[in-house]
Amino acid sequence: RKEVEQDPGPFNVPEGATVAFNCTYSNSASQSFFWYRQDCRKEPKLLMSVYSSGNEDGRFTAQLNRASQYISLLIRDSKLSDSATYLCVVNGGGSNYKLTFGKGTLLTVNP
Amino acid sequence: NAGVMQNPRHLVRRRGQEARLRCSPMKGHSHVYWYRQLPEEGLKFMVYLQKENIIDESGMPKERFSAEFPKEGPSILRIQQVVRGDSAAYFCASSPPNGAGEQYFGPGTRLTVT
Repeated sequence: RKEVEQDPGPFNVPEGATVAFNCTYSNSASQSFFWYRQDCRKEPKLLMSVYSSGNEDGRFTAQLNRASQYISLLIRDSKLSDSATYLCVVNGGGSNYKLTFGKGTLLTVNP
Repeated sequence: NAGVMQNPRHLVRRRGQEARLRCSPMKGHSHVYWYRQLPEEGLKFMVYLQKENIIDESGMPKERFSAEFPKEGPSILRIQQVVRGDSAAYFCASSPPNGAGEQYFGPGTRLTVT
């Protein structure tokens, strides 16, 4: 089983759509969880941290289910500027620094 | 507040040459990480450094690769005798001393070995 596994995508959605990304991780000792976005040939940028209680930042909602080792990201009212690759990221477990990245899911929002 | 800085942004080397990649962390950040992203692959951890200390180099290839973060100056990732398989994007990240695990990435260095 891969350490961090994401929907392979790609996702193509119209503006205004709601889109959900799913992610599972294998290391039950992982402590920190994040969603990053990466635009083509650019660096990953932190989108949001993910907490057990769930957290929301504007149009973005992230949820974590530790029992299922499952993380999700929901984007509501998607914009053209949301087009990017979304990376599910967890720390290595046992160390609060070694980030493990999923391969990412490409989202294209169409006008 | 300047972000993580990396240079050069693009580097072309012939097989057998050396590549030196530099990274300056964000102001106030004392932890530096290097990651490599091969074409069509996710980012892979290489090494974690603090000033004058290598904390974890478990992701570094055993040969030809080395990293340092001196007391003064940027962190350096050095690749000796480069091969075509070293062609990749190399990203540096930094984090604050008491953060919650989040890391902030520089723009990366794209290494092409011809």
